[in-house]
Amino acid sequence: EAGVAQSPRYKIIEKRQSVAFWCNPISGHATLYWYQQILGQGPKLLIQFQNNGVVDDSQLPKDRFSAERLKGVDSTLKIQPAKLEDSAVYLCASSLDFRGLTNVNEQFFGPGTRLTVL
Amino acid sequence: DQQVKQNSPSLSVQEGRISILNCDYTNSMFDYFLWYKKYPAEGPTFLISISSIKDKNEDGRFTVFLNKSAKHLSLHIVPSQPGDSAVYFCAAWTYNTDKLIFGTGTRLQVFP
Repeated sequence: EAGVAQSPRYKIIEKRQSVAFWCNPISGHATLYWYQQILGQGPKLLIQFQNNGVVDDSQLPKDRFSAERLKGVDSTLKIQPAKLEDSAVYLCASSLDFRGLTNVNEQFFGPGTRLTVL
Repeated sequence: DQQVKQNSPSLSVQEGRISILNCDYTNSMFDYFLWYKKYPAEGPTFLISISSIKDKNEDGRFTVFLNKSAKHLSLHIVPSQPGDSAVYFCAAWTYNTDKLIFGTGTRLQVFP
């Protein structure tokens, strides 16, 4: 079974430029998550999709970040314009639909995209 | 507001000995607690979980203990192996929101 795919793996941009990240979740996974992991911290949820609808985007800086999951499969996360403090690893994760589960809903993570903003 | 805390940023243990990683939380409404392991340049991978109604869960060399009165959990690795060297994240999950809240991680180094 293929895991969560992300691209690119690394990106270096200058502040005020724009950047986009792509994620392909595990086949059949209804839920997709984007996390931001700043060096020395744990992953922080930015946005959560259930199929192609947004479940939670309360931590997404909407003035500069946007995300979409057209057709309920692949997803893209965009930053425009980037700031120095956006330097981080952006992780995508996917999971089954938690509704109806009796155990914890395990999330499967991709390798992440390391973004450096100069 | 850090709901999940890992107060030890690093831990160094000799091969064959026990590794104990600690985690504290503030919200008593969490339904499950999970441990994820992360190698450099890779995403976190699920290691073991425990329901909030349990006090112990064991899987091979890995055991997680939950003390609800103290709002504390710990991960025990016995015996520790060099391949266990990684960053370990404690996380809490709530059924109603299907959200994971992560701690800041503990870097474990197992030396020969």
